[in-house]
Amino acid sequence: ELKVEQNPLFLSMQEGKNYTIYCNYSTTSDRLYWYRQDPGKSLESLFVLLSNGAVKQEGRLMASLDTKARLSTLHITAAVHDLSATYFCAVDGGTSGSRLTFGEGTQLTVNP
Amino acid sequence: GAVVSQHPSWVICKSGTSVKIECRSLDFQATTMFWYRQFPKQSLMLMATSNEGSKATYEQGVEKDKFLINHASLTLSTLTVTSAHPEDSSFYICSAPHPGGGNTEAFFGQGTRLTVV
Repeated sequence: ELKVEQNPLFLSMQEGKNYTIYCNYSTTSDRLYWYRQDPGKSLESLFVLLSNGAVKQEGRLMASLDTKARLSTLHITAAVHDLSATYFCAVDGGTSGSRLTFGEGTQLTVNP
Repeated sequence: GAVVSQHPSWVICKSGTSVKIECRSLDFQATTMFWYRQFPKQSLMLMATSNEGSKATYEQGVEKDKFLINHASLTLSTLTVTSAHPEDSSFYICSAPHPGGGNTEAFFGQGTRLTVV
């Protein structure tokens, strides 16, 4: 059974600071996804990581994937209040594409 | 980009009644769609895989007779919560893999918040 673990589960940080969210998973997979969820809303796709060593950046967020270590990171640079949300990583453990197992989520609060 | 539309966005129903949620792929065909459930402050849990033209595949612990899934066409999957009870109150989200690029990305619907009173 595929398991996906995120840490931390809760993160409170000040604006301007940097931090990293970690995502570990238990079985071999080359497809990992990061999503953002605002309260009461569905998921917003942030990054799709499809190979070992993949690194993607968008604004203040950067994601990486190490398939050998079964680890992905989401790095936040110079956080701003607008980044406050819950972030999920998800791993595709299926063969049909996009059958996702989600991590527990990291609730990020960026304080002014 | 690809769009998945879910309807309704929210619904309140009485205990014992049934509720149908629709998930449509608007600009692509989806032979497979996925249904997830999210309780408050929790993560998303896969409930079932909806397969066009055949039976849905349910995850362990999900009652097939309670959560009826019908994938009637290449653009529409429906989830019917039968004889709903308050414990079924949750946020239901569907997704569909985009056929381009080897099904490497899923697109999510807006979600449906079900409240059973």
